[in-house]
Parts: sequence; structure tokens; C-alpha cells
Amino acid sequence: GDSVTQMEGPVTLSEEACLTINCTYTATGYPSLFWYVQYPGEGLQLLLKATKADDKGSNKGFEATYRKETTSFHLEKGSVQVSDSAVYFCALTGGGNKLTFGTGTQLKVEL
Amino acid sequence: DVKVTQSSRYLVKRTGEKVFLECVQDMDHENMFWYRQDPGLGLRLIYFSYDVKMKEKGDIPEGYSVSREKKERFSLILESASTNQTSMYLCASRQGRNSPLHFGNGTRLTVT
Repeated sequence: GDSVTQMEGPVTLSEEACLTINCTYTATGYPSLFWYVQYPGEGLQLLLKATKADDKGSNKGFEATYRKETTSFHLEKGSVQVSDSAVYFCALTGGGNKLTFGTGTQLKVEL
Repeated sequence: DVKVTQSSRYLVKRTGEKVFLECVQDMDHENMFWYRQDPGLGLRLIYFSYDVKMKEKGDIPEGYSVSREKKERFSLILESASTNQTSMYLCASRQGRNSPLHFGNGTRLTVT
């Protein structure tokens, strides 16, 4: 079945540091890939998505590129802020309408 | 804006009780989902529905059932609650497979 593997957290960075959160997937066919974010005390919301190979999703300074050859969708940001502290979830839609999530990576950004 | 409303924010039930978690969305979405969120395990899919009266099992359906009698409402039922069902339950909806999921605020269920 479909699965998503994320790097374990927590990830602790200083403000303005570079961020990479790794995500790899297993799926049949051609999945659509998503990153969701959950800020403290809030619900999950979509951060970005990519629906076909080599697509780059971007939002709020975050980027992720759909790499079919490495089955990856790593999340990157060049300069993080304290306000980026949250839990980040990688997810995919494989066959049908089912959306499968990774276990989440907590990011803490310190001054 | 899409609104997904879960009927309770916090719920405390006793072992063996029948529990109903209700979810309503206001954007005529075809697809609705129930997840549970547990520390270290992320979000795990319990059941989803792609149309009225249609349902499919997710990854952890045991101990749960669902009902979708109307398009806007998707109910999760715990037939006989157990302590290992203590969790945060999240309802979500979306229109199609490439559309974003819209989540409710969650119901934190405690089974004692």
C-alpha cells in the first residue's frame, strides 16, 4: 500500500538557518504530493502541493520538488523564522481518493 | 472559505459506551475523511467516503464505523469505546484527489 516516510524530529534551528525536511514515498501509479502544516494549537492546513513529476510547489518561502526518480518530496526553506515553528506533515494521494500522511516532523526555531 | 465543523471539541466517555462524533462541511465536497492523530504516529486514516452512503475502510478501521446519509455530514461511531481509542479525531473534506484537505478543529476524546 501507499506509505510516506519523514525524517524524525524535533528539528531545532536558529532563526535565519536553512531548513530541509526529508520526505520519501511509496505509491502505485502517479501520486499527488502535499505538505501540510500544523501550528501550535491550530488545525492542519495545506502548505503546498505538486501533482506531477518535476513540479515545484511553493508557499510562504517554502518549496518542494516532486522527484519521481528518487520518490522524494523534500521541504526546503532558505531562512526560517520563529513563526515557522510547527509540525510539518508530508502526504500523498495514490490510487483513488485516499490521502496518506507521514508521522510529522516538529520544527522549533529559536532566536 | 470552506468550513468543516466538528460537533465537540472535548469529549469524555466511559469504556463500553457508544460514541458518536459528528462532522459537517459546507462546501458540497464529495470526499470526507476521519483520521486520528496520536503523538509519534502522525495521522492515520480510519474511514473515508467519496459519496453519500459510500464508504471505504482506511488503515485502522477496527472498532469504528461510519455513516454518510447526507452529503454534508459524515459521522464516526465507536460501537463500544475502549481506552486505546483515546485520541484526537480529525474530520476533513475535499472535492477531488488533487484538491487540498480542509480540516475541522478536532475532537479530543478521552475514554476512561
